[in-house]
Amino acid sequence: ETGVTQTPRHLVMGMTNKKSLKCEQHLGHNAMYWYKQSAKKPLELMFVYNFKEQTENNSVPSRFSPECPNSSHLFLHLHTLQPEDSALYLCASSQRGLTVHEQYFGPGTRLTVT
Amino acid sequence: GDSVTQMEGPVTLSEEAFLTINCTYTATGYPSLFWYVQYPGEGLQLLLKATKADDKGSNKGFEATYRKETTSFHLEKGSVQVSDSAVYFCALSDRDSSYKLIFGSGTRLLVRP
Repeated sequence: ETGVTQTPRHLVMGMTNKKSLKCEQHLGHNAMYWYKQSAKKPLELMFVYNFKEQTENNSVPSRFSPECPNSSHLFLHLHTLQPEDSALYLCASSQRGLTVHEQYFGPGTRLTVT
Repeated sequence: GDSVTQMEGPVTLSEEAFLTINCTYTATGYPSLFWYVQYPGEGLQLLLKATKADDKGSNKGFEATYRKETTSFHLEKGSVQVSDSAVYFCALSDRDSSYKLIFGSGTRLLVRP
């Protein structure tokens, strides 16, 4: 595997379900990100992790719970979601400490909440 | 705070036409500038980047020049193909934004045969 992978690619869940999204980066980076992309707001940064520590939470509702057990893996735990949470969830990684901070994205998980 | 403004889409072109997608930015520091592309059903891919004034980023026939005097980073391609149909995002990153990516709203490009 190369780059940034995300599983599952598609997920349909009811409002009372609990599910998790997984992201893995194979680039040796030390920072990882979750974004939400929907028709209403094209790209919203949700969470930032640097060296496994959460450094940013952009007022994300508590029904989204991130977890970063190591620099290569990032999870987004979902529970009691709302239909408006249906979106494409993108994971990204980057190497902090360099002069140029480009991020590399995974293919995303298309989430539908019914 | 930092911000990026892109031209509204969609942009519809015929194959082999010349493409320009405008991007301007506001930043207090000296940002790095990026173009990302998102093909249907996929995540974002880094298309090109430039890190200082007058730098030209290029990839796959696309080019963009970092213009500090006009705070712009317009994307151009001399001859588009149907396969270039996608959404294009301009973005910046600098110390004042804690090196996060600040994205524009995206411009959808549709190329017709």
